[in-house]
Amino acid sequence: DTGVSQDPRHKITKRGQNVTFRCDPISEHNRLYWYRQTLGQGPEFLTYFQNEAQLEKSRLLSDRFSAERPKGSFSTLEIQRTEQGDSAMYLCASSYKRGWGKTQYFGPGTRLLVL
Amino acid sequence: QKEVEQDPGPLSVPEGAIVSLNCTYSNSAFQYFMWYRQYSRKGPELLMYTYSSGNKEDGRFTAQVDKSSKYISLFIRDSQPSDSATYLCAMSAEGNNRLAFGKGNQVVVIP
Repeated sequence: DTGVSQDPRHKITKRGQNVTFRCDPISEHNRLYWYRQTLGQGPEFLTYFQNEAQLEKSRLLSDRFSAERPKGSFSTLEIQRTEQGDSAMYLCASSYKRGWGKTQYFGPGTRLLVL
Repeated sequence: QKEVEQDPGPLSVPEGAIVSLNCTYSNSAFQYFMWYRQYSRKGPELLMYTYSSGNKEDGRFTAQVDKSSKYISLFIRDSQPSDSATYLCAMSAEGNNRLAFGKGNQVVVIP
């Protein structure tokens, strides 16, 4: 399977704990995106990487959130001191700069529940 | 006002019917328009994409964009129970890498 993969698929944590999610994009895609989706809502943009450079961050990405993409391949999203409001589906997407670069392909998501 | 408005439904139709979904938007800079399908507890799956105004057809799916009215539509012909899912419209502007999504429209196709 050459699609976007995310790990873990589910995470339950207690308030105040740190969590880290991983995303592996489609291999030839140099752009990677993180979105957050809550129940009954569409995905909301969090941040965007082109290769290893983080080029855009949403105001939704508070100081407790940090994303990295070392070596321009996989990416990690860390949430420190989790809060109940962080409970959501965290989606990763990737796209290719050339051609129709707006076409973003999504992974299956990581569902986070903060107790 | 949200950038992208989409009536969340739900919308129930009998098998074989035409499903009609639409979104309106307020940002006139949007040039790229997409429809995603999302099954319960799964990631969004790209269905259709169009650039600027016009129609695009792919099998049973037709996407329409009317930029003058800031209105986009998705039609599903000969709907099947497997089409039961949430359909999300998404759009972006030239030079902007984020997608702005609607809330999603839940569709149920009844056998």
